[in-house]
Amino acid sequence: SQTIHQWPATLVQPVGSPLSLECTVEGTSNPNLYWYRQAAGRGLQLLFYSVGIGQISSEVPQNLSASRPQDRQFILSSKKLLLSDSGFYLCAWSAQDEKLFFGSGTQLSVL
Amino acid sequence: QKEVEQDPGPLSVPEGAIVSLNCTYSNSAFQYFMWYRQYSRKGPELLMYTYSSGNKEDGRFTAQVDKSSKYISLFIRDSQPSDSATYLCAMSAGGGADGLTFGKGTHLIIQP
Repeated sequence: SQTIHQWPATLVQPVGSPLSLECTVEGTSNPNLYWYRQAAGRGLQLLFYSVGIGQISSEVPQNLSASRPQDRQFILSSKKLLLSDSGFYLCAWSAQDEKLFFGSGTQLSVL
Repeated sequence: QKEVEQDPGPLSVPEGAIVSLNCTYSNSAFQYFMWYRQYSRKGPELLMYTYSSGNKEDGRFTAQVDKSSKYISLFIRDSQPSDSATYLCAMSAGGGADGLTFGKGTHLIIQP
């Protein structure tokens, strides 16, 4: 069966520091991969998605970037965090259909 | 008008009651409909997946889609305290999960 791993679960970072969140998927090949942010009262916001290695689509221009160095690895990064980057970040995967499967999430607090 | 509307709640019901959760939408092209359950500080979990109109049942859960009214529902029978969570609806016109539109979720509380 397929599993998705996302870490860390909680992260507290100072403003201006870099960020790297990692996500890996097991049990499937060539998944579509996604990064979402969930803010209280604002719902799920799609940040990036990838249909293959090195292929990244950005939905919202911002202080973040994403990379996919391997087929089942997706990384969310920032060079300098802002206060507004605080939120709950979710990695997700799908096969080539509509069903989306989420990781356990990372609660990021930028102070 | 927002594409997907969902009452944020909280919706509080006694244990054993039948729960009805709903979403309305405006895009008539939507044909794939999903319900997710999300516990606090956890990722959403896919509960139900339906295509086009009709009903789908899985254990205590029933998903219902009425495309003519642009209205979808999730029913939970014999509700349990462990059902307390936020329930998000999601829908798509097709073409992949990057086209999913989510509701903001309804916070459900089942009172023991």
